[in-house]
Amino acid sequence: DAKTTQPPSMDCAEGRAANLPCNHSTISGNEYVYWYRQIHSQGPQYIIHGLKNNETNEMASLIITEDRKSSTLILPHATLRDTAVYYCISRANDYKLSFGAGTTVTVRA
Amino acid sequence: GAVVSQHPSRVICKSGTSVKIECRSLDFQATTMFWYRQFPKQSLMLMATSNEGSKATYEQGVEKDKFLINHASLTLSTLTVTSAHPEDSSFYICSARDPTSVGETQYFGPGTRLLVL
Repeated sequence: DAKTTQPPSMDCAEGRAANLPCNHSTISGNEYVYWYRQIHSQGPQYIIHGLKNNETNEMASLIITEDRKSSTLILPHATLRDTAVYYCISRANDYKLSFGAGTTVTVRA
Repeated sequence: GAVVSQHPSRVICKSGTSVKIECRSLDFQATTMFWYRQFPKQSLMLMATSNEGSKATYEQGVEKDKFLINHASLTLSTLTVTSAHPEDSSFYICSARDPTSVGETQYFGPGTRLLVL
């Protein structure tokens, strides 16, 4: 699987959009970009995924650059309950997910 | 989204005993499930891939005789930690691949916290 790089931490204000970057410069053409988050002492929660096109669901938007070397997860209106560790993962055909350190996001009132 | 459950949510056992953890996909059939382990302040580490009707495949460094995996049905995989020792204390998390979802997304269970005394 392609290695992903994320900033270790970021703060954002409640009610504002949170933009979480992820670099995956070695991603191959058939690897999906997945985003999960883990709130303390819970299992990871699926957020969104994409291959080439931008995606949006009820939780977030995923913007993937045209060359697919990076992506941004957007939480449109961050709440205190969005405080978590966010993982950006590239997934190949074997379906295995390799978790890095992720980005610890702290939403402040 | 798809729901995956785990049982028990937490367990305390004595050193030398075996502990079984169940992982169930509640609203979809999962031909593949995965088992992860997470130590405090660390990320998830994949232990093994559980395939329905066949032997599990283990990641390098994971003892297959220590961590027995059985995937007897399309909705249930079990992980048995045999002869548990204090160093096996960890947060064990399973995931299940939904083959009907776009991209065959994996959904995670809530985790099982194991403490071996």
